[in-house]
Order: sequence, then structure tokens, then C-alpha cells
Amino acid sequence: DGGITQSPKYLFRKEGQNVTLSCEQNLNHDAMYWYRQDPGQGLRLIYYSQIVNDFQKGDIAEGYSVSREKKESFPLTVTSAQKNPTAFYLCASKAGGSYNEQFFGPGTRLTVL
Amino acid sequence: GENVEQHPSTLSVQEGDSAVIKCTYSDSASNYFPWYKQELGKRPQLIIDIRSNVGEKKDQRIAVTLNKTAKHFSLHITETQPEDSAVYFCAAIFQGGTSYGKLTFGQGTILTVHP
Repeated sequence: DGGITQSPKYLFRKEGQNVTLSCEQNLNHDAMYWYRQDPGQGLRLIYYSQIVNDFQKGDIAEGYSVSREKKESFPLTVTSAQKNPTAFYLCASKAGGSYNEQFFGPGTRLTVL
Repeated sequence: GENVEQHPSTLSVQEGDSAVIKCTYSDSASNYFPWYKQELGKRPQLIIDIRSNVGEKKDQRIAVTLNKTAKHFSLHITETQPEDSAVYFCAAIFQGGTSYGKLTFGQGTILTVHP
């Protein structure tokens, strides 16, 4: 189903805790992305990476961190500095070259208690 | 950077009617415009896309039109069915050279098709 997996599907966190969301792809895609989805606000880009060991901030990077040590993996850490972390988080990947489709993972729903 | 505006935010139609969702973009360099459909609790999935060198593209009941001069593009769904009910997102991106770029999404349209 797309070759992108995210875990866990649901995640609950206490305030003040850091949590890491997993994203793995077996599509051999170079580029990977993290989006946050809130009701009525569409998809907002948190971070993206076009190549291993390199990544760029998106539109809402504050309070988040990422790493890209392997081509297949792009984990997202939601830190305690993120003021309102409750949301649906989507990972995506894309092959190199122009006009290639961006594929999404199934998402992780994070709830802060 | 790119900014994409999408309207309407909600759209309710009767089964068999047509539905039209419109988007405008700000960056004249954008050259690729995909549309994604997201069912409740699921991942967004690409349903149709259009490149800037094409004015219209059709795939069965769905079509997309692009007006580069006005910087807007639209999704048209004909003969709507209840299973078309979902959230639809438009997006825009400049793709070229060695840059993979980043998609800028519209805010989404909740389409409800009543039987």
C-alpha cells in the first residue's frame, strides 16, 4: 500500500515529553517530507529532506527535529517546545526528477494529554 | 514562497450533480499541480495532476483545467457518487533541475455527495 509505513498509528504523550514518530519507505525515493494536518488547515510542511544527511525546515519547523541517516528512514521528534502538538502527522516520499508523484504514509495521530 | 488558496472549504451536492473546486496560486514559476483525495482517517492519494504546458486533462469522471495567465486551476467531478465524498486538496510546485521541491497545499475542500 504505497511502500511507506509510519508507526505508531496512535500516540499519546504527556506534556513536557519528547516523542519520536517513525517513517520508513522501501520505494528507493530520495526525498522525504513531514506534514502536520489540523482540521480546516490543510497540510503544513514541517521538514523535508532531499538527500541523506541533509534536511531543510518547512513552514512550521519550530518545536520539531528530524534526522536522515539512512535513505529509507526519516524520523520526526516532537519536542516539549512544540506548544500545540496534538495533530495528525503525515510522512511522504518522492522519487527524484520532475513531475513525480509524492506518496503519503498512513499517518500518526498524536494526542497530548 | 508559494501560496495556494482553495475554495470552497465545504461543498455539498446531490448524487449525479457536478462538483467544481477552485485553486489560485501565487508563484508564476510553479509548473506542476496535483490534486489529492483524502478519505476520513486515511492518507491523501493522488487522483489527477496537470503540468503547466497543458490546459486541461481528463480521467473518466474527473478533469483538471489550468489557466496560467490567471494563475488558477480547477478540479471538476462529473456524475458525482457517494464514494466521492472526501477532502480534496490542490497543490502547486516548481519542479526542475536537481531540486525535488516542496508542494504547497491548499486548505482543502470537504465534498459531501448526498444519495
